[in-house]
Amino acid sequence: DGGITQSPKYLFRKEGQNVTLSCEQNLNHDAMYWYRQDPGQGLRLIYYSQIVNDFQKGDIAEGYSVSREKKESFPLTVTSAQKNPTAFYLCASSHPEQGSTEAFFGQGTRLTVV
Amino acid sequence: DQQVKQNSPSLSVQEGRISILNCDYTNSMFDYFLWYKKYPAEGPTFLISISSIKDKNEDGRFTVFLNKSAKHLSLHIVPSQPGDSAVYFCAASFMDSNYQLIWGAGTKLIIKP
Repeated sequence: DGGITQSPKYLFRKEGQNVTLSCEQNLNHDAMYWYRQDPGQGLRLIYYSQIVNDFQKGDIAEGYSVSREKKESFPLTVTSAQKNPTAFYLCASSHPEQGSTEAFFGQGTRLTVV
Repeated sequence: DQQVKQNSPSLSVQEGRISILNCDYTNSMFDYFLWYKKYPAEGPTFLISISSIKDKNEDGRFTVFLNKSAKHLSLHIVPSQPGDSAVYFCAASFMDSNYQLIWGAGTKLIIKP
């Protein structure tokens, strides 16, 4: 089945540690996105990538890093520089060149700093 | 500056009645609008969309209305069902942005039995 998969579903991190959230899609989509959701707020864009080996900062990129070495994969690293990393993280993909802006989302990863 | 606004954080509707969720936007260049539904601890799922060349789009119980002059869109759910209880996000995009989505803060819809 085609879809977008995030792992793990729950992740606990000690302060000062880096952690990497996985996002894989087999939809053959060029564009991939990472969002963060906090209670009472809309989805905020962290990073996005329109094509392999290229990515751009979103609205809240500080403390995060990404890579896009393969079309299917867009991992997000939450670094120790991120001051408030506890949140629900959502990965999405889309295929703008097909004229559709619909984004397909993974099930999310809930990151908690302990 | 919030370009897409959902001013109602929550909405409570009786089962069987109509649910109306509202969304306002400020950027007149937006040409495509989408509604997503989200259950707790899950990713949002696409519900319905509308292009700026239309003023209405219908899909089963869901209808989206677009009023470009007022920069306002609304999602109507008729009749409302318990499974409709979720957070609904409005999103907008425009071609020059490579169709990146700009999101509202969401409205939590509660359907009362």
